[in-house]
Amino acid sequence: KQEVTQIPAALSVPEGENLVLNCSFTDSAIYNLQWFRQDPGKGLTSLLLIQSSQREQTSGRLNASLDKSSGRSTLYIAASQPGDSATYLCAVAAEGFQKLVFGTGTRLLVSP
Amino acid sequence: ETGVTQSPTHLIKTRGQQVTLRCSSQSGHNTVSWYQQALGQGPQFIFQYYREEENGRGNFPPRFSGLQFPNYSSELNVNALELDDSALYLCASSFTGIETQYFGPGTRLLVL
Repeated sequence: KQEVTQIPAALSVPEGENLVLNCSFTDSAIYNLQWFRQDPGKGLTSLLLIQSSQREQTSGRLNASLDKSSGRSTLYIAASQPGDSATYLCAVAAEGFQKLVFGTGTRLLVSP
Repeated sequence: ETGVTQSPTHLIKTRGQQVTLRCSSQSGHNTVSWYQQALGQGPQFIFQYYREEENGRGNFPPRFSGLQFPNYSSELNVNALELDDSALYLCASSFTGIETQYFGPGTRLLVL
């Protein structure tokens, strides 16, 4: 059974810092991995999707890496801003099926 | 191109009642997945519909059922509501094949 863990559970940083969020998964037989952002009480916004054959994806200040063999992914946020404050969720899709298995998220607070 | 929409946004029910939640998928998408997100947790997969057929189910009892219509919109029905059914219910759509899943804003259900 696939299990996804995210560390840390919560993170508080001052504006301008670079930061790294971690995600680990127990079964390396994944099809892809997605990072999502969730604002309080809201739905999920997809940030980055990495196919299992890829090592990383970049979008603006965000960079996600994937090491499938070790079951790890990181989300790097450069020059953090107060608007980045949200919960960040990592999810993996198993091969041949679109079901997403989510971690419990990292709650990020960026202070001005 | 319209995004994923869900209705209602909030709902209050009492234990034992039945509820129907609705989701309109993003234009061009023929696959809809439903997730339950309890407070402070990551979303849990309920089931997925592809071209009006159930295409996988998570660890939820039969009182959770669904439908997908010819226009690919979908319903989630929950019978005999229990207090633990209180959660944010999220709908996600995608096109067949492994692609990014796009989430709606969710329906917040409170069971008293």
